[in-house]
Amino acid sequence: AQSVTQPDIHITVSEGASLELRCNYSYGATPYLFWYVQSPGQGLQLLLKYFSGDTLVQGIKGFEAEFKRSQSSFNLRKPSVHWSDAAEYFCAVALPMEYGNKLVFGAGTILRVKS
Amino acid sequence: SQTIHQWPATLVQPVGSPLSLECTVEGTSNPNLYWYRQAAGRGLQLLFYSVGIGQISSEVPQNLSASRPQDRQFILSSKKLLLSDSGFYLCAWSRGSSYNEQFFGPGTRLTVL
Repeated sequence: AQSVTQPDIHITVSEGASLELRCNYSYGATPYLFWYVQSPGQGLQLLLKYFSGDTLVQGIKGFEAEFKRSQSSFNLRKPSVHWSDAAEYFCAVALPMEYGNKLVFGAGTILRVKS
Repeated sequence: SQTIHQWPATLVQPVGSPLSLECTVEGTSNPNLYWYRQAAGRGLQLLFYSVGIGQISSEVPQNLSASRPQDRQFILSSKKLLLSDSGFYLCAWSRGSSYNEQFFGPGTRLTVL
């Protein structure tokens, strides 16, 4: 069965420090992967996506993610975190149309930024 | 460009009362539509999805139902709310082909007292 694991429930980093949020997936075919961000009380915003090609993908707000097939991972990174990055981050893998184009989400990682 | 609307933004309802949450999408046709719930401190739970008018798939048995009376309208309903129905409800849409990302609405905060 398809699944997404985000091993870290909470992460705290200092403002200006680098960030890496982990995501591991289990999916039999070529994965289509996404990272979303959710600020408190708001909907989810798409940060970036991986469909094929270059395994390092760039997203909005200075985020990037690297797809590593050998490790079944799609970790999110940012070189220098800003206080406004404090939010919850979700990794997801897409299912095909015969499964309703559903996304399988990880449980989320809450990012806290300390000054 | 496409936009997705949800209303109301906030709702406080007594136990046993009915519920109707509405979601509409603009700027696209024949989207797939989804309803999610986030309970406090928990992740996203997919409740329903729809690939076309009148086509509803339920993911989990529950006190809620969904309908899609028009191509770009998705409604979440309940005849009698339970305390456990409290949460943050999110509507999302995706293009009607495989492997597409979903775009989320702003959400509705429902409190059942």
